[in-house]
Amino acid sequence: KQEVTQIPAALSVPEGENLVLNCSFTDSAIYNLQWFRQDPGKGLTSLLLIQSSQREQTSGRLNASLDKSSGRSTLYIAASQPGDSATYLCAVNFRGIYNQGGKLIFGQGTELSVKP
Amino acid sequence: KAGVTQTPRYLIKTRGQQVTLSCSPISGHRSVSWYQQTPGQGLQFLFEYFSETQRNKGNFPGRFSGRQFSNSRSEMNVSTLELGDSALYLCASSLDTGALDEQFFGPGTRLTVL
Repeated sequence: KQEVTQIPAALSVPEGENLVLNCSFTDSAIYNLQWFRQDPGKGLTSLLLIQSSQREQTSGRLNASLDKSSGRSTLYIAASQPGDSATYLCAVNFRGIYNQGGKLIFGQGTELSVKP
Repeated sequence: KAGVTQTPRYLIKTRGQQVTLSCSPISGHRSVSWYQQTPGQGLQFLFEYFSETQRNKGNFPGRFSGRQFSNSRSEMNVSTLELGDSALYLCASSLDTGALDEQFFGPGTRLTVL
């Protein structure tokens, strides 16, 4: 079964700290992996997309890595700020006969709180 | 460029009724996907449409259906509503293949079933 797991479920850090969010998935046959941010009661904001052939992607203070062989991705946030407080979701687009390409499997998310 | 829009933003219905939700993708995007988000189950894939054809389908009962129009706008319908259908319904669009393209989400429709 194709599954995505995110640990920890919640994380609280002081402002300015660098942090890493983890995502693991059960099958290395993927099209890509996408990281999202969700603020309470809102939709999802796309942060980074990593294609299967890539090892990492960067955007500003964010860096995401992908290791297909171990089924892992990490999202690194540098110099965290209170405005980074949100739930971060990892979503995997698995290859397979039941997916023609647009189906994302989500982890349960990591709720991040950055304290001033 | 305008983002993904969803209407209505909030809905309150009673058990047994039916509901139709609408999604307008980003201009030029041809793939539209629907997801259900609940506190207990998280985000779950409902279905995906591309060029007016359902390309992928999740594990939801037949009460959940959708369609896509020639302008790529999509609707989903839920018939015979149950209390457990209360959720945030999210729509996402992508440029073309879905397999390689970034997906962009709308703000969602919050459905409450009483």
